[in-house]
Amino acid sequence: DVQVAESGGGLVQPGRSLRLSCTTSGFNFADYDMSWARQAPGKGLDWVGFTRGKPYGGTIHYAASVRGRFFISRDDAKSIVYLQMNSLQIEDTGVYYCAQGGAFDRWGQGTMVTVSS
Amino acid sequence: DIVLTQSPLSLPVTLGQSASFSCNSTQSLVLNGGNTYLAWFHQRPGQSPRRLIYMVSHRDSGVPDRFRGSGSDTDFSMEIIGVEADDLGTYYCMQGTHWPYSFGQGTKLELK
Repeated sequence: DVQVAESGGGLVQPGRSLRLSCTTSGFNFADYDMSWARQAPGKGLDWVGFTRGKPYGGTIHYAASVRGRFFISRDDAKSIVYLQMNSLQIEDTGVYYCAQGGAFDRWGQGTMVTVSS
Repeated sequence: DIVLTQSPLSLPVTLGQSASFSCNSTQSLVLNGGNTYLAWFHQRPGQSPRRLIYMVSHRDSGVPDRFRGSGSDTDFSMEIIGVEADDLGTYYCMQGTHWPYSFGQGTKLELK
């Protein structure tokens, strides 16, 4: 059974950094693309970024709003994907979701990130 | 960048009625190889989204055939035949053809 679980959220001051982890099981992680999305309180879904699986070269793409501040990496041996968030801004506040696949096949439960002074 | 526009933003229904959601793209979502990467998701309040349909019309495992996706090029829709209480919530479309990928703003399905 596919399992996806985010962790690492919390309260952080503007300008600081935070790293989210997405732990997975139940599928051959190295072969899969992995995605991140977020949702501000009371708002819709916002695509954040995506890392391709090993068969596709592991390339990474980002939304314009986070490019240069957020960085996605993966540890295929541990079946974990990370979202390193730097220079956090108040508008980055929201629930961050990780998902299996580029088309968000299976979602985690999300982790809340609050950027506030 | 691709913008997906969903309509209506709110859809009041009576249980048992059908519901139809629209998603329009600013560019064609047909990839060079001929595939179209348009998916639909359902999110209940306080829960994570769940994918229902991928590549326009393919239902995910466990999704009842009451959910039907259709469309091509820039115009897409999803229909629920006979809305049930569990179907209430917000529906999003997403395109995975062009970088950066993007979601529509959502349609809230609620009781009339």
